[in-house]
Amino acid sequence: DTGVSQDPRHKITKRGQNVTFRCDPISEHNRLYWYRQTLGQGPEFLTYFQNEAQLEKSRLLSDRFSAERPKGSFSTLEIQRTEQGDSAMYLCASSIQGRITEAFFGQGTRLTVV
Amino acid sequence: GIQVEQSPPDLILQEGANSTLRCNFSDSVNNLQWFHQNPWGQLINLFYIPSGTKQNGRLSATTVATERYSLLYISSSQTTDSGVYFCAVDPPQGAQKLVFGQGTRLTINP
Repeated sequence: DTGVSQDPRHKITKRGQNVTFRCDPISEHNRLYWYRQTLGQGPEFLTYFQNEAQLEKSRLLSDRFSAERPKGSFSTLEIQRTEQGDSAMYLCASSIQGRITEAFFGQGTRLTVV
Repeated sequence: GIQVEQSPPDLILQEGANSTLRCNFSDSVNNLQWFHQNPWGQLINLFYIPSGTKQNGRLSATTVATERYSLLYISSSQTTDSGVYFCAVDPPQGAQKLVFGQGTRLTINP
């Protein structure tokens, strides 16, 4: 396993369309996180899973956003009825629950809504 | 919530120079990580350093948790060191939801 993998790397969509991103974490990691990064800013937390349970969602995550992690492995992040303000880099990270909780990030999915 | 401030926001240096990046945080933390964001947007792990000092080649980091700051040192800078450096902390509420600073954009000129 070479690390956290995200797909696609880039997505251009028209306003109002739905998009879905996928994240495959490091295989032994039971925690999975989604972050969003806009231009010139640091990443901001969106939501996280411990195994298959979604334990927390940021207020940044409007009801147009939904995330799943079936079977506690890969995760998907769906955005419905995309808006131009959704244009950002979406980053996935994973870690192991425990004393050493270093997080590792994927390459990100860059979303552009036109 | 916890505040994370990085300084300077921008730093331009000549190849071979040394640099120090600072990260201040407003509350105690469980964890602190330094990342380098490459031109393609991926965050590359540099250090996991909740306290103490670590070194990895030309890079080293020190976190003084009691005084709520961390420093990243880059010696003998190379053009490939250019990019944005982020400090991120894990507040005591747990679950390792990282809170990031705004980053320091480092430009190394040949």
